[in-house]
Amino acid sequence: EAQVTQNPRYLITVTGKKLTVTCSQNMNHEYMSWYRQDPGLGLRQIYYSMNVEVTDKGDVPEGYKVSRKEKRNFPLILESPSPNQTSLYFCASRARQGRSNTEAFFGQGTRLTVV
Amino acid sequence: KQEVTQIPAALSVPEGENLVLNCSFTDSAIYNLQWFRQDPGKGLTSLLLIQSSQREQTSGRLNASLDKSSGRSTLYIAASQPGDSATYLCAVIPPSYNTDKLIFGTGTRLQVFP
Repeated sequence: EAQVTQNPRYLITVTGKKLTVTCSQNMNHEYMSWYRQDPGLGLRQIYYSMNVEVTDKGDVPEGYKVSRKEKRNFPLILESPSPNQTSLYFCASRARQGRSNTEAFFGQGTRLTVV
Repeated sequence: KQEVTQIPAALSVPEGENLVLNCSFTDSAIYNLQWFRQDPGKGLTSLLLIQSSQREQTSGRLNASLDKSSGRSTLYIAASQPGDSATYLCAVIPPSYNTDKLIFGTGTRLQVFP
């Protein structure tokens, strides 16, 4: 089954304690992204990757890091989380532009609370 | 800058009605457009993808149309059911090969009551 898998689904942490949210896709997609969703602000892109070892900032990258060492994995790292990073996070993947099917697939989300 | 708007923001209808959800975008230069469904606190489930060269796509009771020249897409839901209750999001994918970004609309929250 084609899917994007995020872990954990729920996470409560304290300010300043480094954390990593993992994301893995099994569709051999070139593109992967992270979004956050907040009430009234909709979905905003944090970082994206168009290939292995290639990452770039989205609209709201401050306070986040990513890496793309393997095609299937795209972890999101919060080095020093703060309460304003409390949000619902989504990982997404899709085939590169130019392929016949560029449907985007999303993970089930990670609800992060920073206290 | 591409902006995507969905109207109405919320909709409450009795079971069995046929529905039309609207998605408008300001820049007609798009690569494709995708409709999603999101249940409260859950992930996004892809419903339909319309490529820029297509006019419509159908899946079961769902039909999505695309009119690039007018900057509009509609999602038609036939014979609505309580299980259709969710938030529906449209997303535009720009034609750029230099970035990977979906630009989302504001969503339509749908409630179908028995």
